[in-house]
Amino acid sequence: DGGITQSPKYLFRKEGQNVTLSCEQNLNHDAMYWYRQDPGQGLRLIYYSQIVNDFQKGDIAEGYSVSREKKESFPLTVTSAQKNPTAFYLCASDTGKDTEAFFGQGTRLTVV
Amino acid sequence: EDQVTQSPEALRLQEGESSSLNCSYTVSGLRGLFWYRQDPGKGPEFLFTLYSAGEEKEKERLKATLTKKESFLHITAPKPEDSATYLCAVRGSGTYKYIFGTGTRLKVLA
Repeated sequence: DGGITQSPKYLFRKEGQNVTLSCEQNLNHDAMYWYRQDPGQGLRLIYYSQIVNDFQKGDIAEGYSVSREKKESFPLTVTSAQKNPTAFYLCASDTGKDTEAFFGQGTRLTVV
Repeated sequence: EDQVTQSPEALRLQEGESSSLNCSYTVSGLRGLFWYRQDPGKGPEFLFTLYSAGEEKEKERLKATLTKKESFLHITAPKPEDSATYLCAVRGSGTYKYIFGTGTRLKVLA
């Protein structure tokens, strides 16, 4: 079955450590996205990529970094510069045209 | 600025009690309005895409409609398994971003 796989589902890290969240899709989608979800707030865009080897900052990119070396993969690194990293992170993809995005099951990151 | 507002924030219904969720939007050149369902601790699950005013889509007990300023998600004779948060998002012209509302938390009581 085609879909988007995020791993791990839960992640715990100490303050000051970088951590990388994985996102893989086998939908042959060109575009991929990373969103952050906090209680009481809508999904906020961190980074997006329309094509391999290219990506753009979203609304809350500070303290995050991404790469897009393969069409299927769009990993997100949460760096120590991110002031409040504890959140639910969602990866999504779409065809790059005016169609809907499909989401992975999310990674809950807790920084202690 | 593109914006999405969903109401109510939370809704409790008795099983079989039909109702509607509202999504008001402001966007330059609508390129799609999207409805998703999200269960606790899970990623959003796609429900519907609407592109132009007057368009309607249905799936089981759910029906989505669209005007130039808002969309409604009508739930007919809901069941407890329809309990979830329903998210609305829009995409405008000149951007690849989806703008999401904060969602409506629906609880259907047996």
